Amino acid sequence: GENVEQHPSTLSVQEGDSAVIKCTYSDSASNYFPWYKQELGKRPQLIIDIRSNVGEKKDQRIAVTLNKTAKHFSLHITETQPEDSAVYFCAASDEWGGSQGNLIFGKGTKLSVKP
Amino acid sequence: DGGITQSPKYLFRKEGQNVTLSCEQNLNHDAMYWYRQDPGQGLRLIYYSQIVNDFQKGDIAEGYSVSREKKESFPLTVTSAQKNPTAFYLCASSISGGSFYEQYFGPGTRLTVT
Repeated sequence: GENVEQHPSTLSVQEGDSAVIKCTYSDSASNYFPWYKQELGKRPQLIIDIRSNVGEKKDQRIAVTLNKTAKHFSLHITETQPEDSAVYFCAASDEWGGSQGNLIFGKGTKLSVKP
Repeated sequence: DGGITQSPKYLFRKEGQNVTLSCEQNLNHDAMYWYRQDPGQGLRLIYYSQIVNDFQKGDIAEGYSVSREKKESFPLTVTSAQKNPTAFYLCASSISGGSFYEQYFGPGTRLTVT
């Protein structure tokens, strides 16, 4: 089945700097890659996603890139702000495979943005 | 917030007791999910249901049971067979089954078993 590795587990940056979180996946059939943000004490929320027919997607300060050949995808946050501090989870899924399209999550990255 | 609710927020039980966690949604979503979240472990799928009266095991279903008698409700029972039940449990729903649809999470229930 699918396995998703996420790095780093913790990341500390200065306000205004960029942050990059990387994930690798094992199942070459995976074709959907969402990112969820979980603020302290709150529920996870989808912030951006990408499908395998696209190499990059941007939404304001957030971007996700996908390299299907290398089987890795990354979250990029530019001009970080203190409110970006949270745990970020990547996930991967094969819509058509034996997993029936369920998401397999990485273990999370705790991002801290220092003012 | 709203749309998908879980109760209670905190739950304490003695070892050997079964306990049921509630999950309700008013989003008219067909699919519902239960995840377990442990520190440093991410979210792991326990059970999911793509339609009323049907549900499937996820990656870590042992020691858990669910029912889906109504579209709005997907309760999770943690049985005494679950070896390490203390965890944070998250319920989610999506408009339809399959991963292409955004999953909306509830606020979670933190279960402590002593």
